[in-house]
Amino acid sequence: KQEVTQIPAALSVPEGENLVLNCSFTDSAIYNLQWFRQDPGKGLTSLLLIQSSQREQTSGRLNASLDKSSGRSTLYIAASQPGDSATYLCAVNFQGAQKLVFGQGTRLTINP
Amino acid sequence: DTGVSQDPRHKITKRGQNVTFRCDPISEHNRLYWYRQTLGQGPEFLTYFQNEAQLEKSRLLSDRFSAERPKGSFSTLEIQRTEQGDSAMYLCASSLLLGQGENSPLHFGNGTRLTVT
Repeated sequence: KQEVTQIPAALSVPEGENLVLNCSFTDSAIYNLQWFRQDPGKGLTSLLLIQSSQREQTSGRLNASLDKSSGRSTLYIAASQPGDSATYLCAVNFQGAQKLVFGQGTRLTINP
Repeated sequence: DTGVSQDPRHKITKRGQNVTFRCDPISEHNRLYWYRQTLGQGPEFLTYFQNEAQLEKSRLLSDRFSAERPKGSFSTLEIQRTEQGDSAMYLCASSLLLGQGENSPLHFGNGTRLTVT
């Protein structure tokens, strides 16, 4: 079964710290992996998309890496700010499945 | 490009009533997806369309649920005889089919929050 797991479910860190969010998936045959941000009661905002052939993508203070062979991706957030507080979701487009499969998310709180 | 829009933003209904939600995707996107999200969980796939054809339905989509995309543009999701367990955020997303079955990044709307009392 194609599944995506995110651990931990919640994370709280002081402002200014660098942090890493983890995502693991069960099948290495993927088209791409996408990281999203979700604010309470809102829809999803796409942060980064990593194609199967890529190892990482960067956008501002965000860096996402992909290791297909181990079924893992990480989202690195540098110099965290209170405005980064949100739920971060990892989603995988597995080959043979025409949809994204989501993890349960990591709820991030940045304390001023 | 105004993004994916969903209507209404919130819907409160009594158990047993029917509800219908609308999604307007990004205009050039040929794929449209419906997901459901409950509190503290990631979105769960319900169904998707490629143009006007509904190509896949999740087992989560009971016979009380029906989705349409009649002209390959906007889509509607109807829930008949609502139950309290249907309370959730219903999210719509759209994308462009690339080569060999791969999608462009999915763009999500802000969702419709359904509360069944």
